[in-house]
Amino acid sequence: KAGVTQTPRYLIKTRGQQVTLSCSPISGHRSVSWYQQTPGQGLQFLFEYFSETQRNKGNFPGRFSGRQFSNSRSEMNVSTLELGDSALYLCASSLDGSRYGYTFGSGTRLTVV
Amino acid sequence: AQSVTQLGSHVSVSEGALVLLRCNYSSSVPPYLFWYVQYPNQGLQLLLKYTSAATLVKGINGFEAEFKKSETSFHLTKPSAHMSDAAEYFCAVSDRLTGGGNKLTFGTGTQLKVEL
Repeated sequence: KAGVTQTPRYLIKTRGQQVTLSCSPISGHRSVSWYQQTPGQGLQFLFEYFSETQRNKGNFPGRFSGRQFSNSRSEMNVSTLELGDSALYLCASSLDGSRYGYTFGSGTRLTVV
Repeated sequence: AQSVTQLGSHVSVSEGALVLLRCNYSSSVPPYLFWYVQYPNQGLQLLLKYTSAATLVKGINGFEAEFKKSETSFHLTKPSAHMSDAAEYFCAVSDRLTGGGNKLTFGTGTQLKVEL
């Protein structure tokens, strides 16, 4: 059974640009969550998508957005990049977003210069 | 909202020694608790989880954790450390969200160093 696939693994962008990250969940999983990991703030919840709808959102500015497609693949977008957006972005896949836990991808390392 | 506290941002043990990583939680409902491990430039790998069944939970790679409600703790242990255990470990609690679904609330992590 294939795991959670995140692409690309590494990205370097310039301040002011926008970026799109992709996540393919485990087959059959309908919930995809995104987390940001930084040395200063640790692991923080960005948002969760379930059946193509954003069901929950963390405390991030509107520059952070996402979507989910009918095949459950998800993308997140960050517009007008700031230096502080440099982070590891992790995608987590779950059957239905229940409490039983999530499977994480390897992440996308975004560096903003 | 639930929260998790990991005591000790860095723990160093000798190879073959006991590993003990501490985690305390705060939860208004029976918690679902997790331990994840992260190797450099990798995602999070689930070690084990507590979902209100047995209080002693066995995970992968010889790790186990005991849920103690009276102490609000879920400490991670391994009887004998191996060099390959060197990594960062995160304790997390599942937090129910108003929109339905859940999110994970993580502790700040403990970096485990294993020395010869």
